[in-house]
Amino acid sequence: AQSVTQPDIHITVSEGASLELRCNYSYGATPYLFWYVQSPGQGLQLLLKYFSGDTLVQGIKGFEAEFKRSQSSFNLRKPSVHWSDAAEYFCAPSGGYNKLIFGAGTRLAVHP
Amino acid sequence: DAGVIQSPRHEVTEMGQEVTLRCKPISGHNSLFWYRQTMMRGLELLIYFNNNVPIDDSGMPEDRFSAKMPNASFSTLKIQPSEPRDSAVYFCASSGPGHLNTEAFFGQGTRLTVV
Repeated sequence: AQSVTQPDIHITVSEGASLELRCNYSYGATPYLFWYVQSPGQGLQLLLKYFSGDTLVQGIKGFEAEFKRSQSSFNLRKPSVHWSDAAEYFCAPSGGYNKLIFGAGTRLAVHP
Repeated sequence: DAGVIQSPRHEVTEMGQEVTLRCKPISGHNSLFWYRQTMMRGLELLIYFNNNVPIDDSGMPEDRFSAKMPNASFSTLKIQPSEPRDSAVYFCASSGPGHLNTEAFFGQGTRLTVV
């Protein structure tokens, strides 16, 4: 069965610090992979996506993610976090018909 | 394009009442998804359509839930009768077209409270 794991439910970092959010998936084949961000009271916005090719993908707002097939991981990174990055982040592999299976999410808090 | 449009944004209803949530996908998209978000269960896929046809409704929690997509520009999610445990934020998303996977665009959600 398809599944995705985000091991960290809550992360707190200081503004300006680097960030890495973990994501592991279980899938029959290499899925398409997405990271979405949700600000409080808002819908989900796409940060970045991986389909094929270069395993390091760049997204909006200075985020990047690296696909590692051997580890079934697709971790999200940002070198320097801004206070406005405080939100909830969801990793999601995509199956047929573009359906997304979401992880539990990681809530990011940013200290000034 | 205005994006995926959901209505209403907020709905408060009494237990036992019928609730209808509405969604207008992005023009030209051919896949539509209904998700439910709660603190306990996170984001759950309830049902999805492709070219207006329901493909998989295995995520629909009970027979009290039903969804329709009468045309490419409109979908509804109905709960009848509603119960307090249905309180959640319901999201509609659309994507496509094409056989390649593309990103899903989400609406702002409908926050449903059943009292």
